[in-house]
Amino acid sequence: DQQVKQNSPSLSVQEGRISILNCDYTNSMFDYFLWYKKYPAEGPTFLISISSIKDKNEDGRFTVFLNKSAKHLSLHIVPSQPGDSAVYFCAASGRTGNQFYFGTGTSLTVIP
Amino acid sequence: DAGVIQSPRHEVTEMGQEVTLRCKPISGHDYLFWYRQTMMRGLELLIYFNNNVPIDDSGMPEDRFSAKMPNASFSTLKIQPSEPRDSAVYFCASSFYNTEAFFGQGTRLTVV
Repeated sequence: DQQVKQNSPSLSVQEGRISILNCDYTNSMFDYFLWYKKYPAEGPTFLISISSIKDKNEDGRFTVFLNKSAKHLSLHIVPSQPGDSAVYFCAASGRTGNQFYFGTGTSLTVIP
Repeated sequence: DAGVIQSPRHEVTEMGQEVTLRCKPISGHDYLFWYRQTMMRGLELLIYFNNNVPIDDSGMPEDRFSAKMPNASFSTLKIQPSEPRDSAVYFCASSFYNTEAFFGQGTRLTVV
């Protein structure tokens, strides 16, 4: 059963605009959340993370927001660039063990 | 460090044959994960090791799947016998405790 869900399989955004990718989770024990980016024929690469003690973390054009009460997180990319076109995976981890649970991914296309 | 190294990159085999996927984690990392990527389930955790010891193998789909980590620098995922539904991309990843996981480039397995 999917504990981390990404309900939008794909998203298209115009270059320069904001991209918002969403993720929901069901396990209240998760306390560490990550976003990964994946290009075709490559492994996922770490993008940004957030701990449950925060509700926002920013790194350049990328910001992750966490709403613990709603069990929801989102990744904002501003401004979006064509090189951002990739599949984005949301992941979560809890204090017991170190296993990461991943969503099914959202394919982002940034249109020049 | 060269990152997580997986071999082979591509594997095509006939149904019923044994398949062995290999992984060399990043030196010093104490966690190793095997994931399978499918369209339906995204990145699915199969098994993970801590300090070479299997911690959770509940994601291994069937007894046909087995994984070993004989030392800190090497792990294998074996499928015996393989079936067409095992066709997927298999990723190995490694991490320190409570930090992001680093992924290899994956092995694309095709069982015909």
